[in-house]
Amino acid sequence: GESVGLHLPTLSVQEGDNSIINCAYSNSASDYFIWYKQESGKGPQFIIDIRSNMDKRQGQRVTVLLNKTVKHLSLQIAATQPGDSAVYFCAENSRTGKLIFGQGTTLQVKP
Amino acid sequence: EPEVTQTPSHQVTQMGQEVILRCVPISNHLYFYWYRQILGQKVEFLVSFYNNEISEKSEIFDDQFSVERPDGSNFTLKIRSTKLEDSAMYFCASRGDRGDKGAFFGQGTRLTVV
Repeated sequence: GESVGLHLPTLSVQEGDNSIINCAYSNSASDYFIWYKQESGKGPQFIIDIRSNMDKRQGQRVTVLLNKTVKHLSLQIAATQPGDSAVYFCAENSRTGKLIFGQGTTLQVKP
Repeated sequence: EPEVTQTPSHQVTQMGQEVILRCVPISNHLYFYWYRQILGQKVEFLVSFYNNEISEKSEIFDDQFSVERPDGSNFTLKIRSTKLEDSAMYFCASRGDRGDKGAFFGQGTRLTVV
């Protein structure tokens, strides 16, 4: 069946450090992945995406890595700030357009 | 910046009652979705809607659920006879034709069934 999952439920980092959030997926045919950020009481917000013909994509302070061999995604946040505190979800964007979300990792940034 | 808007932000209803959750998607978007999130859990797909019909639905989206786009701007989710387990955050989302960047989500409606 479809499954997208994250390795850790909570990640606590010091402000200024780099954060790495991991995600595993099961469908080897998946070709488009998205990382979302969800702040308390709000809807998921797009952070960065990557297609399966790439293994790395960089945004502003964020980088997504895709390892298709082991079906693994990671989100790296450089110089983590208090405003980065949120729940982070990886999601597979299926061919029909629906999103299949993982369980989520809560990122806590300590000042 | 265009956004998806949802009303109400919080709805409390008695078990067995009907509720309608409302959404205004981004105006030039063509694909519309409802997702739900039970407290502390992941976001789950309910239904997708395109060209005035349901294009896909999940097992959660049973006969108690329906969606409608009554005019050119609104997109609604109706639950006919609410159950306690329907209590969740319900998110509306929309996307444009190309689907880049996935879907844009609204702020959600918190449904509490008592």
